[in-house]
Amino acid sequence: EAGVVQSPRYKIIEKKQPVAFWCNPISGHNTLYWYLQNLGQGPELLIRYENEEAVDDSQLPKDRFSAERLKGVDSTLKIQPAELGDSAVYLCASSYSWTSGYNEQFFGPGTRLTVL
Amino acid sequence: AQTVTQSQPEMSVQEAETVTLSCTYDTSENNYYLFWYKQPPSRQMILVIRQEAYKQQNATENRFSVNFQKAAKSFSLKISDSQLGDTAMYFCAFSGGTSYGKLTFGQGTILTVHP
Repeated sequence: EAGVVQSPRYKIIEKKQPVAFWCNPISGHNTLYWYLQNLGQGPELLIRYENEEAVDDSQLPKDRFSAERLKGVDSTLKIQPAELGDSAVYLCASSYSWTSGYNEQFFGPGTRLTVL
Repeated sequence: AQTVTQSQPEMSVQEAETVTLSCTYDTSENNYYLFWYKQPPSRQMILVIRQEAYKQQNATENRFSVNFQKAAKSFSLKISDSQLGDTAMYFCAFSGGTSYGKLTFGQGTILTVHP
């Protein structure tokens, strides 16, 4: 079974440029998560999707970040414009429906973003 | 809001020895789950072990076991017979109550296993 796929693995951009990250979850997983992981820190949830619906985006900085999950499968996270402080690893994870209580989240390899 | 604290930024152990990583958490919930995740240098986060709060028996997975002290809100991970491949960042995480839909992570502990 294929795991969570993310691309690109690495991205280097100039500040004020836009950037997008793509995630393909494990087949059959209804729930998709985007986490932000700063260097040496634990991941922090940015947004959680249940199928196509963003059910928790309270931690997403909506002035510059946006996300979408078309058809309830793949998802894209966008930053526009990027700032120096956005340099981090962006992790995508997926799981079966969170309403089951215990929901093991499977993580992708992440996208390491460097903003110059 | 739930918080998870890992007070050991770095730990080291000799191959084949035993090491214990500490984690404390704070919550007012009665039903929740606790997890230990491993993140090797390649960055893919992998679930090591989980504990359901309503179960008194400590979870074990091969060389990995936990010491779950619900009253003390403590959740430590013991790694027996440490192997070089255990070298990684280890995160303690919480899921439960109003935050069932997300994981709240601690700051992580870097574990280095020396030959």
